[in-house]
Amino acid sequence: NAGVMQNPRHLVRRRGQEARLRCSPMKGHSHVYWYRQLPEEGLKFMVYLQKENIIDESGMPKERFSAEFPKEGPSILRIQQVVRGDSAAYFCASSGTGEETQYFGPGTRLLVL
Amino acid sequence: AQSVTQLGSHVSVSEGALVLLRCNYSSSVPPYLFWYVQYPNQGLQLLLKYTSAATLVKGINGFEAEFKKSETSFHLTKPSAHMSDAAEYFCAVSGAGGADGLTFGKGTHLIIQP
Repeated sequence: NAGVMQNPRHLVRRRGQEARLRCSPMKGHSHVYWYRQLPEEGLKFMVYLQKENIIDESGMPKERFSAEFPKEGPSILRIQQVVRGDSAAYFCASSGTGEETQYFGPGTRLLVL
Repeated sequence: AQSVTQLGSHVSVSEGALVLLRCNYSSSVPPYLFWYVQYPNQGLQLLLKYTSAATLVKGINGFEAEFKKSETSFHLTKPSAHMSDAAEYFCAVSGAGGADGLTFGKGTHLIIQP
């Protein structure tokens, strides 16, 4: 049973470009969470999605960041016009309906030059 | 609102010694509490969780944690440290029901001295 998958594992972008991060949840999971980890800090919650719905986006920056979880395919975290401060590790987690445990993917490490 | 405080950004213990990583939380609702471990350049792996059942929770790799409501604590322990335990450890809290974003502490880097 494959775990949570994220790609790419590493992503390099220049300032002003767009970054697209993908997350495939564990089989049978319909809840997806995105977190950001800055150097020397813990993970910060960004957004919680279910299929085709954003449930909680209280941790998302108001501009340039968006997330989706379509009916088919992976969840996407999109960062437009990246800046150096966006450099971080972005983790996706998934859970099943009624489950409290979130299972994490290996993360995408974004570097903005 | 929820928050987690992990005392000690770095903890160093000798191999074979007791491991104690501290976690205090605040939550306006009965909490679910988690400990995760992160190895370098990897994702987070669940060690154990508290979900309002037994207050002493046993996890993987010989770790356990005790939920103490009066102290709002959920400290992680292991009787005898192994070199392979060297990693970053995160305590996290979520609200009742668990189906919301986790609030993490800043993490504790565990160093094992030979």
